Amino acid sequence: GENVEQHPSTLSVQEGDSAVIKCTYSDSASNYFPWYKQELGKRPQLIIDIRSNVGEKKDQRIAVTLNKTAKHFSLHITETQPEDSAVYFCAPEDRNSGYALNFGKGTSLLVTP
Amino acid sequence: NAGVTQTPKFQVLKTGQSMTLQCAQDMNHNSMYWYRQDPGMGLRLIYYSASEGTTDKGEVPNGYNVSRLNKREFSLRLESAAPSQTSVYFCASSEHGGSYSPLHFGNGTRLTVT
Repeated sequence: GENVEQHPSTLSVQEGDSAVIKCTYSDSASNYFPWYKQELGKRPQLIIDIRSNVGEKKDQRIAVTLNKTAKHFSLHITETQPEDSAVYFCAPEDRNSGYALNFGKGTSLLVTP
Repeated sequence: NAGVTQTPKFQVLKTGQSMTLQCAQDMNHNSMYWYRQDPGMGLRLIYYSASEGTTDKGEVPNGYNVSRLNKREFSLRLESAAPSQTSVYFCASSEHGGSYSPLHFGNGTRLTVT
């Protein structure tokens, strides 16, 4: 979507390594910052989200960190596994569109055994 | 619960034909959305319905119309299909349409316009 940038666009790591994807956004009014995972041919599914009053949230091997001042948030995956291979999207809320989510262009993550 | 159900799963149209994509959710969600997904473009919002009885344009509404038939159903209509509308279409719903409201997606409709 508009004014949401994700980096890198592709990422290749070896199994067991860590992966980090960064998302920058422009709407300072956004208060909700989710990450979605989409496997090939499937629908996007929520994997983790964070609210603006929290700096970091962790769920097993996945974590999200938020820097609201700098308007960016990041997805961290530790101990990567081949089943983590997918496209990941950041999707900060868009308060100008009924709180719809404004998706980045995606990061294609490949985890090689 | 089936969640969000979209029909059809696949469709091929000729330029100028019309069709309606159907979407229904059984989670009693207030808000519903239509996105399209093109390679390298992420998901782009076409239209949304924040609550029953309301609809609004998103980022890429041209060539589409929507109807929020009731709380459960939100349809997307292509009146005169064009090759540029070849895409995968996803319907989604959220509980209350306010902040902190994750989207739940259907399985998508793959549309080809020749």
